Amino acid sequence: GAGVSQTPSNKVTEKGKYVELRCDPISGHTALYWYRQSLGQGPEFLIYFQGTGAADDSGLPNDRFFAVRPEGSVSTLKIQRTERGDSAVYLCASSLAGVGAGANVLTFGAGSRLTVL
Amino acid sequence: DQQVKQNSPSLSVQEGRISILNCDYTNSMFDYFLWYKKYPAEGPTFLISISSIKDKNEDGRFTVFLNKSAKHLSLHIVPSQPGDSAVYFCALRGGYGNKLVFGAGTILRVKS
Repeated sequence: GAGVSQTPSNKVTEKGKYVELRCDPISGHTALYWYRQSLGQGPEFLIYFQGTGAADDSGLPNDRFFAVRPEGSVSTLKIQRTERGDSAVYLCASSLAGVGAGANVLTFGAGSRLTVL
Repeated sequence: DQQVKQNSPSLSVQEGRISILNCDYTNSMFDYFLWYKKYPAEGPTFLISISSIKDKNEDGRFTVFLNKSAKHLSLHIVPSQPGDSAVYFCALRGGYGNKLVFGAGTILRVKS
């Protein structure tokens, strides 16, 4: 597609439930990122994929969070046993691979707003 | 331990005047510096960038300045327009891959 697409745009769930958030990156972008933005803060890095593999998952807060990208395109962020503190906007971004100006610019989706009651 | 700081949570500027947004960082390993703009209910949108080998980059009304010795980055918008009202984030790249570290953002309001 023309941009990064994220679904759902809004998700309300109860504490303890399982949630999946989906990201469809720009066609041809091999790098994919997940960020989390809490109120009043900037986006915080969670995980980065190069192709199908997670190149850097150092930002995942704990083992309740997991992300996959099985075919090197669409990615799913999975959150188990959700907690109220997980409430945030989850942003997905994609970029070209390699080095150079184009690879440095991340294009973001509109985000998935997660509310855990 | 915040590596990137935007110390002004908000800034209000009259239309036609200059807006100056600032960003300070602590880690010398950052080598690429970007500014993103964000409107409500949208994702951040890339605005302008600069690599560590330069000290200035200009694109129309937007100019980014980098002072590596002071570890300081700034964005100048001139003339400011009401449509520039948004949240502005500085984002810095360093280390493996293209992981960006973001500041907390500055809310810019341009009054007409």
